[in-house]
Amino acid sequence: GAVVSQHPSWVICKSGTSVKIECRSLDFQATTMFWYRQFPKQSLMLMATSNEGSKATYEQGVEKDKFLINHASLTLSTLTVTSAHPEDSSFYICSAPRRTSGFTDTQYFGPGTRLTVL
Amino acid sequence: SQELEQSPQSLIVQEGKNLTINCTSSKTLYGLYWYKQKYGEGLIFLMMLQKGGEEKSHEKITAKLDEKKQQSSLHITASQPSHAGIYLCGADPQVNAGGTSYGKLTFGQGTILTVHP
Repeated sequence: GAVVSQHPSWVICKSGTSVKIECRSLDFQATTMFWYRQFPKQSLMLMATSNEGSKATYEQGVEKDKFLINHASLTLSTLTVTSAHPEDSSFYICSAPRRTSGFTDTQYFGPGTRLTVL
Repeated sequence: SQELEQSPQSLIVQEGKNLTINCTSSKTLYGLYWYKQKYGEGLIFLMMLQKGGEEKSHEKITAKLDEKKQQSSLHITASQPSHAGIYLCGADPQVNAGGTSYGKLTFGQGTILTVHP
């Protein structure tokens, strides 16, 4: 079954509004979560690292004031797209590492959130 | 930074045929993931490889990591329409020798697999 959930699975909003996307780890704690973005027919690009109890770390070229990340608890990270514009329309996916065996972590991904900005 | 090159970019096969997807890294791989994605959906974890020469299998899918740890291959035996999707290899450049992941993955561009019944 799913180990990482996202909500909502899709959202349509008007230009200029803000949208919040939630990422939850199910049955395990994640001090770190990751947010990716995927454009049609392209691979995933890492946007930022969400850290529980501290500020998020953003990849080069990603506007931190545009994409606000809050790691509210050990099982929840949220991504808020502020003042969304049509070019922000994309598929947003989160991931969380889960210890699977011994000292090995496996990155599990959420089902994704499709954002469409009109 | 680590770059991953996948080949082929797309693949169309007849049901029942075997196929191989390759993933080549510009740097040594310490943690190599294979995922499957249906369009518009999340990534499904398939396998993770860490050791040179390692090979793992799950049902009809086998993944290998070469001895030099710079190339991985994903092999599907007797393909079925359910195997269709986008296959992505991802590298974790910060996995240490003990297997702890510091997590951010770099992905290849993906291989689109179509299986005709």
